[in-house]
Amino acid sequence: QKEVEQNSGPLSVPEGAIASLNCTYSDRGSQSFFWYRQYSGKSPELIMFIYSNGDKEDGRFTAQLNKASQYVSLLIRDSQPSDSATYLCAASWGKLQFGAGTQVVVTP
Amino acid sequence: EADIYQTPRYLVIGTGKKITLECSQTMGHDKMYWYQQDPGMELHLIHYSYGVNSTEKGDLSSESTVSRIRTEHFPLTLESARPSHTSQYLCASSGDSWTGVGEQFFGPGTRLTVL
Repeated sequence: QKEVEQNSGPLSVPEGAIASLNCTYSDRGSQSFFWYRQYSGKSPELIMFIYSNGDKEDGRFTAQLNKASQYVSLLIRDSQPSDSATYLCAASWGKLQFGAGTQVVVTP
Repeated sequence: EADIYQTPRYLVIGTGKKITLECSQTMGHDKMYWYQQDPGMELHLIHYSYGVNSTEKGDLSSESTVSRIRTEHFPLTLESARPSHTSQYLCASSGDSWTGVGEQFFGPGTRLTVL
């Protein structure tokens, strides 16, 4: 069992809609969680991090954390074609563990 | 400007050659990492270092070796390259946070092709 699980997708989202990405993690000791975006052929770039239960908003992005259920999610509002990428979830408990990523395709 | 650098960006070499992929960071981070990633596939941690003279193998077995003589420098070496080493190699660094491990920042990567 992977320590950080994500649906591989692809997740197809119409332009302007909300993309919802989910991630579960196995270690209850995880303290912090990160979302990265990776365009094809490029390196991952950090979008958001979240430490506390609840929601954290940054522009069109909202990260949600529920430690009791061991899941973290990312919402992308008003999805744009430029949001088409693979989104990596990462959880930290001593070292950072990455999920395999969810591919998002925003269709015009 | 604080950043993380990798050279070369692209490398095409023949089988059996020795290569060193360079990674340097000016972010003042103690922790550095090497990942291997094939196109469309997930990241695999192959080496990491939490400080000078400290190196550890990652989750994916690799024939490469690393060294950490200076805080800002974390080179990766392949003594004898093979076609199976063809991949993208990503270097990252991170600082500390109250949780112990902060977010990782990635370099631009080196795309290695071994013929």
